[in-house]
Amino acid sequence: AQSVTQLGSHVSVSEGALVLLRCNYSSSVPPYLFWYVQYPNQGLQLLLKYTTGATLVKGINGFEAEFKKSETSFHLTKPSAHMSDAAEYFCAVSPIGRSAGNKLTFGGGTRVLVKP
Amino acid sequence: DTGVSQNPRHKITKRGQNVTFRCDPISEHNRLYWYRQTLGQGPEFLTYFQNEAQLEKSRLLSDRFSAERPKGSFSTLEIQRTEQGDSAMYLCVAGELFFGEGSRLTVL
Repeated sequence: AQSVTQLGSHVSVSEGALVLLRCNYSSSVPPYLFWYVQYPNQGLQLLLKYTTGATLVKGINGFEAEFKKSETSFHLTKPSAHMSDAAEYFCAVSPIGRSAGNKLTFGGGTRVLVKP
Repeated sequence: DTGVSQNPRHKITKRGQNVTFRCDPISEHNRLYWYRQTLGQGPEFLTYFQNEAQLEKSRLLSDRFSAERPKGSFSTLEIQRTEQGDSAMYLCVAGELFFGEGSRLTVL
């Protein structure tokens, strides 16, 4: 079974400061890894994903994440926070292989507050 | 526009009533997923379809829940004899990436 842990249910950052959201996963084999963003009363939007290849993945809106197999982590960062980054962020994993159905297992989410 | 339309967006019902949600992907996707999201939590997998075949159901999907995808395009999720614990956002996902905006169920 796979599981995802997001450290910190709430994160507060100042505008222009670094955003760092932590995600650790548990899986018998390295899975596919995802970060999603959810704005109020909306569905989830994919920020970035890691499947294979380069472990530093760049996504939309200036976000990036690095897959560290030895640490079973996939932390999300953005060098400079913008007010529009205020939202809830979810880390997710899915098993590799089409027979596994590619269903996503999500972490509990981290709500980001950006202070002016 | 997420490419996935869900209706109704919000449903308020009394306990014991039946409700049905519909998911319409704009473009064709072989796989379609349903997730449930409660307040302050991440989405939880409910079930998924490969074309019209329902290939997996979560333990969360009690026998009061039924999902269909009759022609391999749109899908419905029905909840019978709703309970207050069913109050949640029900999310449809087309392919692996396209999330609908969800249908929020409130059971009074």
